[in-house]
Amino acid sequence: GQQVMQIPQYQHVQEGEDFTTYCNSSTTLSNIQWYKQRPGGHPVFLIQLVKSGEVKKQKRLTFQFGEAKKNSSLHITATQTTDVGTYFCAGRSDYKLSFGAGTTVTVRA
Amino acid sequence: EPEVTQTPSHQVTQMGQEVILRCVPISNHLYFYWYRQILGQKVEFLVSFYNNEISEKSEIFDDQFSVERPDGSNFTLKIRSTKLEDSAMYFCASLPGAAGNTIYFGEGSWLTVV
Repeated sequence: GQQVMQIPQYQHVQEGEDFTTYCNSSTTLSNIQWYKQRPGGHPVFLIQLVKSGEVKKQKRLTFQFGEAKKNSSLHITATQTTDVGTYFCAGRSDYKLSFGAGTTVTVRA
Repeated sequence: EPEVTQTPSHQVTQMGQEVILRCVPISNHLYFYWYRQILGQKVEFLVSFYNNEISEKSEIFDDQFSVERPDGSNFTLKIRSTKLEDSAMYFCASLPGAAGNTIYFGEGSWLTVV
């Protein structure tokens, strides 16, 4: 079945630095979604990418969907303490969403 | 903005007891899902439901689990005889139906089996 791999599992970042989390699917996706989950909370939808090669930005967050629609990345610039949490990618194939294992981000001031 | 609502937010139950988790999906949505997240782990797919029947289920969704849409608005997940390892956050989600649409998640029901 469809598998979505996400790396790194943990990312410890100095405040102000940039980092990237990567997501790879074993199958071609119809779209990919990104979620953020704060400790103790539920996954909150951030963005959806549908087109091959699509790039979307939300302030300091840049999301990219690969040309083959099998991989995606999230790049955060100038990390802030509010960026703490776990970022999940979720690949959509037909009507099913499969989540990656998440990248848990901690920030040191 | 419409939202998926789940009850209860937290339930503690004894091992072996039956549990029913309830969800009210967004009203015009056609696909419904249950996902599970064990503490510290990723969100795992359990089951999808469309046109009043299960459309897909994962290996986790064994005979102990069942889903129902009894009245056209509620969507329930029943665990017949809970085990300690069923302790997790259970998320309900719904989807309008088109391939490009977003799946909307509820805030989850935290189940603790003791």
